[in-house]
Amino acid sequence: DTGVSQDPRHKITKRGQNVTFRCDPISEHNRLYWYRQTLGQGPEFLTYFQNEAQLEKSRLLSDRFSAERPKGSFSTLEIQRTEQGDSAMYLCASSRQGANEKLFFGSGTQLSVL
Amino acid sequence: AQRVTQPEKLLSVFKGAPVELKCNYSYSGSPELFWYVQYSRQRLQLLLRHISRESIKGFTADLNKGETSFHLKKPFAQEEDSAMYYCALSYYSGTYKYIFGTGTRLKVLA
Repeated sequence: DTGVSQDPRHKITKRGQNVTFRCDPISEHNRLYWYRQTLGQGPEFLTYFQNEAQLEKSRLLSDRFSAERPKGSFSTLEIQRTEQGDSAMYLCASSRQGANEKLFFGSGTQLSVL
Repeated sequence: AQRVTQPEKLLSVFKGAPVELKCNYSYSGSPELFWYVQYSRQRLQLLLRHISRESIKGFTADLNKGETSFHLKKPFAQEEDSAMYYCALSYYSGTYKYIFGTGTRLKVLA
């Protein structure tokens, strides 16, 4: 197992287009998180899954954003009708549920909306 | 809403000097606190967590509930410590939450 992987590493799109990102967590991890990070800021929480259930969504996540984790394995994050303000690094992390959980992060997907 | 505050965006110190990266949190319950680090061109990774009371790469952090702080310290900085450091808080409020501060860039000068 090579850790959390994200695909693609970079995505350039035109405003108004839809984009989808994929995250493959560490296989035995039942929790999966999505964060967004812009320059000079820390990771901002977007949403998280416990197995296949999406348990929490940030108010940052407008209705243009949707995330899924079918069968509790990989996850996808889709952004519809992208806007320039969506340009950011999208980070995925996974963990094993328990006290004082350690998050394992992927390398992220850098989105640029032109 | 709960919050993690890192007041310094940038901290520059000379090699061999002591380092203290500040972190304050707002949460009235029993917090779970962490420090994550991101070295250049690497992914974000856990440095240490308060529950372990461990020293990693010479860094320690003590939870002070009275001051709601979890500052990261190292007595003698090394050039390889240069990185972005993020303080994080996890807690239950209806559901489980895991939030990060805005980060402090540490530059250790030769």
